Amino acid sequence: EVQLVESGGGLVEPGGSLRLSCVVSGFSFNDAWMSWVRQAPGKGLEWVGRIKKKSDGGTTDYAAPVKGRFLISRDDSKNTLYLQMNSLKTEDTAKYYCATDGNSGWYEGWFDPWGQGTLVTVSS
Amino acid sequence: DIVMTQSPDSLAVSLGERATINCKSSQSVLHSSNNKKYLAWYQQKPGQPPKLLIYWASTRESGVPDRFSGSGSGTDFTFTISSLQAEDVAVYYCQQYYITPPTFGQGTKVEIK
Repeated sequence: EVQLVESGGGLVEPGGSLRLSCVVSGFSFNDAWMSWVRQAPGKGLEWVGRIKKKSDGGTTDYAAPVKGRFLISRDDSKNTLYLQMNSLKTEDTAKYYCATDGNSGWYEGWFDPWGQGTLVTVSS
Repeated sequence: DIVMTQSPDSLAVSLGERATINCKSSQSVLHSSNNKKYLAWYQQKPGQPPKLLIYWASTRESGVPDRFSGSGSGTDFTFTISSLQAEDVAVYYCQQYYITPPTFGQGTKVEIK
């Protein structure tokens, strides 16, 4: 069974930092392109960023609102994806989902499957 | 960035009737090299993550009922539920994956009339 399980969310003050994790099982994580997508309360979906599989360079891309503040990394030995969030702003408040945009060994572009998400609240 | 605009924002349809959602991209998502349209559709029910329904604009994901369908050209796309069931109440999103960043429409809420 394919599973993506996020953790690490919580309440943080503006300017603070938080690291999210996403543990993957049921498919070959090291062969997967992985993304983070967020959803502010009552709002739509917003792509945050992605990391390619190592054999495709392992490089990252970020959405403009988070570029320079967020860092995506992966540990293939632990089947784990990370999102390091620094200099957090109130507008970063959202549920953060990890998802794969290619778990068959190549980039697909659509997101499937998704984790259940972890809630990040940025507030003083 | 490619802007995805869905219409309507919400619609109420009687059980068994057709529901149609439109999605317009600010530029073509049709790749001339393979003639594929880089567009996906998702369903999100309350408290759940999005679920992929359709990719390549019209290819149903495995296990998705055939009452769900997608079509469209390079910039104008349609998602149809041919006969609305109670379990189809949800918010539906389109997403382009033609270029980075991938972008989503604002969502369309489908309810029972």
